Amino acid sequence: DTGVSQDPRHKITKRGQNVTFRCDPISEHNRLYWYRQTLGQGPEFLTYFQNEAQLEKSRLLSDRFSAERPKGSFSTLEIQRTEQGDSAMYLCACGTSGNTDTQYFGPGTRLTVL
Amino acid sequence: TQLLEQSPQFLSIQEGENLTVYCNSSSVFSSLQWYRQEPGEGPVLLVTVVTGGEVKKLKRLTFQFGDARKDSSLHITAAQPGDTGLYLCAGASNQGGKLIFGQGTELSVKP
Repeated sequence: DTGVSQDPRHKITKRGQNVTFRCDPISEHNRLYWYRQTLGQGPEFLTYFQNEAQLEKSRLLSDRFSAERPKGSFSTLEIQRTEQGDSAMYLCACGTSGNTDTQYFGPGTRLTVL
Repeated sequence: TQLLEQSPQFLSIQEGENLTVYCNSSSVFSSLQWYRQEPGEGPVLLVTVVTGGEVKKLKRLTFQFGDARKDSSLHITAAQPGDTGLYLCAGASNQGGKLIFGQGTELSVKP
């Protein structure tokens, strides 16, 4: 257990529905990252926050995706109008701005879009 | 664009055998991390290597960072079934805080 929690662990939804995932990082870690992992691949970066500021977004993050970290603690990732291609494992990781190379991952949320 | 290539992609061996996984890039990384991931779970950090030529040992696992900081290797001695999993290398990007991952090596150790 890395101390990073994600909820839900699994989500099955129908195409076109909206979904929201939550990540609770290690409390003293000011950086929070979102990655997406499809079967047989390594995780791909989506976006990251330092405190409540969103500092970088990947090209992978289409306008249907939005992430927030309103109080610099937990974060949410919302996907609107889901598509079958959104099916993946969504991983949250955290770290500190003083040691950006080391990131601790949560257990992930497995999304299946039917 | 920084990319990491891992090889082999799949490895199936018998208990007690040795193996090496490679992680290569044409780009220089400030550090490389190795993670192990089990099905349905998130990656778990094994080690971070920072200095070119650095060697770190974790029980039966030996990690090496290339002199030019463009490549790394993971060597497992006397593999055990408990070593089965997906091994991922990741490099710290030179642009911001994200990690760039290789595609992973799926290791299966049969008793």
